[in-house]
Amino acid sequence: AQSVTQPDIHITVSEGASLELRCNYSYGATPYLFWYVQSPGQGLQLLLKYFSGDTLVQGIKGFEAEFKRSQSSFNLRKPSVHWSDAAEYFCAVGAGGGGADGLTFGKGTHLIIQP
Amino acid sequence: DAGITQSPRYKITETGRQVTLMCHQTWSHSYMFWYRQDLGHGLRLIYYSAAADITDKGEVPDGYVVSRSKTENFPLTLESATRSQTSVYFCASNSLRTGELFFGEGSRLTVL
Repeated sequence: AQSVTQPDIHITVSEGASLELRCNYSYGATPYLFWYVQSPGQGLQLLLKYFSGDTLVQGIKGFEAEFKRSQSSFNLRKPSVHWSDAAEYFCAVGAGGGGADGLTFGKGTHLIIQP
Repeated sequence: DAGITQSPRYKITETGRQVTLMCHQTWSHSYMFWYRQDLGHGLRLIYYSAAADITDKGEVPDGYVVSRSKTENFPLTLESATRSQTSVYFCASNSLRTGELFFGEGSRLTVL
């Protein structure tokens, strides 16, 4: 069965500092990988996705993620965070192609931005 | 506007009552999903539907019923609400090409 682990429940970063959120997955085939962001009281918005090709993918809001097959990881990064980046971040894995099982999500990482 | 809408956004009910959460999408996506979001558990799949009149259980289906008579609507019913069903519920639809999920804004349900 597929699974996603986000080892950090909370992360606190100073505004302007760099950010890395960790994500490890378990999946039997080639994974489709996603990062979503959830602002308070809102639904989930897609930040970026990886299906194939270049293992470094760029997303919205200045985020990027790198797929490392050997480490089963898909870590999210941003070089300089802004106060508006404070939110909940979810990593997800799926089969792609509108798979019947949807996506399997990690439990999320809560990002706090210090002024 | 195209998108996925949920109603009601907030609902308070009592134990034992029936509650229906509505979900409507305008993309004509085949697949639709219901998730619940709870602290410490993240998002868990309740039910999904591959097309009209085709539904299947997810990870946590007990206590819930779904139907899908039309492609665009996917209501979730709690036939006899329990306090453990207090949660935020998200409806989503799925791009067949990419697998990307598109989410509604959520329905916050409190069962007293």
